[in-house]
Amino acid sequence: AQSVTQLGSHVSVSEGALVLLRCNYSSSVPPYLFWYVQYPNQGLQLLLKYTSAATLVKGINGFEAEFKKSETSFHLTKPSAHMSDAAEYFCAVSGPNSGYALNFGKGTSLLVTP
Amino acid sequence: EPEVTQTPSHQVTQMGQEVILRCVPISNHLYFYWYRQILGQKVEFLVSFYNNEISEKSEIFDDQFSVERPDGSNFTLKIRSTKLEDSAMYFCASTGGRLMQETQYFGPGTRLLVL
Repeated sequence: AQSVTQLGSHVSVSEGALVLLRCNYSSSVPPYLFWYVQYPNQGLQLLLKYTSAATLVKGINGFEAEFKKSETSFHLTKPSAHMSDAAEYFCAVSGPNSGYALNFGKGTSLLVTP
Repeated sequence: EPEVTQTPSHQVTQMGQEVILRCVPISNHLYFYWYRQILGQKVEFLVSFYNNEISEKSEIFDDQFSVERPDGSNFTLKIRSTKLEDSAMYFCASTGGRLMQETQYFGPGTRLLVL
């Protein structure tokens, strides 16, 4: 089955700094990859997804992610962090070996400091 | 913007009791899912549901769990005899289509605490 690993359970950045949240996937077939964000007391909201159309995917709130097959990675980036970006971020995968269920990583908590 | 809703937001129950968690998916969606997140662990898939039957289920989804769409709007998860280890956040999700790249829309979750 497909799986993802998120490196770093907590990431802290200064406001205005680059945000980089790491996600590596394991899959023997082309996967579908997703990044979700969870703000406090809210549900999971889709930031962006990779569905094999383009390797650089742009999402909401200025986030983007690049699918790199050679590195089996799908890291999430944002050029300049805002205080409002503080949240929990989840990478997830679905695909032929895992069916329609999303297989999530453990999540990364992003802290943005003034 | 349409959204998935879940009730209650929090539930506390005694071990061995039955609980029913409720979800109202987005109105024109046809595919429904339950996930759970035990504190400090990752979000885990429980079950998917379409056309009044289970499509897929994980090994977590054993005989103590059941799902139902009792009417045209609600989607429920029942835990027959709760155990301490069922304490978790339970998320409902829905999609409009049946593709693996389909976006799943999640509700805010129900936090279940079993004492």
